[in-house]
Amino acid sequence: DGGITQSPKYLFRKEGQNVTLSCEQNLNHDAMYWYRQDPGQGLRLIYYSQIVNDFQKGDIAEGYSVSREKKESFPLTVTSAQKNPTAFYLCASSPGTGTDTQYFGPGTRLTVL
Amino acid sequence: AQSVTQLGSHVSVSEGALVLLRCNYSSSVPPYLFWYVQYPNQGLQLLLKYTSAATLVKGINGFEAEFKKSETSFHLTKPSAHMSDAAEYFCAVSEGFTGGGNKLTFGTGTQLKVEL
Repeated sequence: DGGITQSPKYLFRKEGQNVTLSCEQNLNHDAMYWYRQDPGQGLRLIYYSQIVNDFQKGDIAEGYSVSREKKESFPLTVTSAQKNPTAFYLCASSPGTGTDTQYFGPGTRLTVL
Repeated sequence: AQSVTQLGSHVSVSEGALVLLRCNYSSSVPPYLFWYVQYPNQGLQLLLKYTSAATLVKGINGFEAEFKKSETSFHLTKPSAHMSDAAEYFCAVSEGFTGGGNKLTFGTGTQLKVEL
């Protein structure tokens, strides 16, 4: 079955540590996205990538980094520079045109201890 | 810049009653509009999508939404609520990126509670 997988489901991190969240899709989609979700704030765009080896900052990119070395993979690193990293992180993908539906993965809940 | 307003962060209905979740948008271009549903600790699932083909859009699980340009609204309805409809619902407006892909701007969500 085609879809988007995110791992791990739950992640705990100590302050000052970098951590990488995985996102993989087998939908052959060109575009991929990372969102952050906080209670009462909806979803906010962190980074997006339209093609392999290219990515752009979203609305809240500070303290995050990404890579897009393969079409199917778009990992997100939460760095120690992110002031308040505890949140639910969602990865999405879309075929790549402007009217596309975005399809979401199951999410990773990151908690900083 | 596009924006979405969802009136009512929490809505409670009785099982079998009408569900109405409100969404108003602002957009400088003809919008593409989406409703997504999220169950606890899960990702978002598409309910329905408006792309200007028809103003009344039917989605999954008996939901539908009507695009009203004059009111800049895209409210979500379901004639008869079921316990399984309890979830959080997000309205989103789409803006295309140059080079492909699109940006979704989300509302803050409405938590739907269904009571016996």
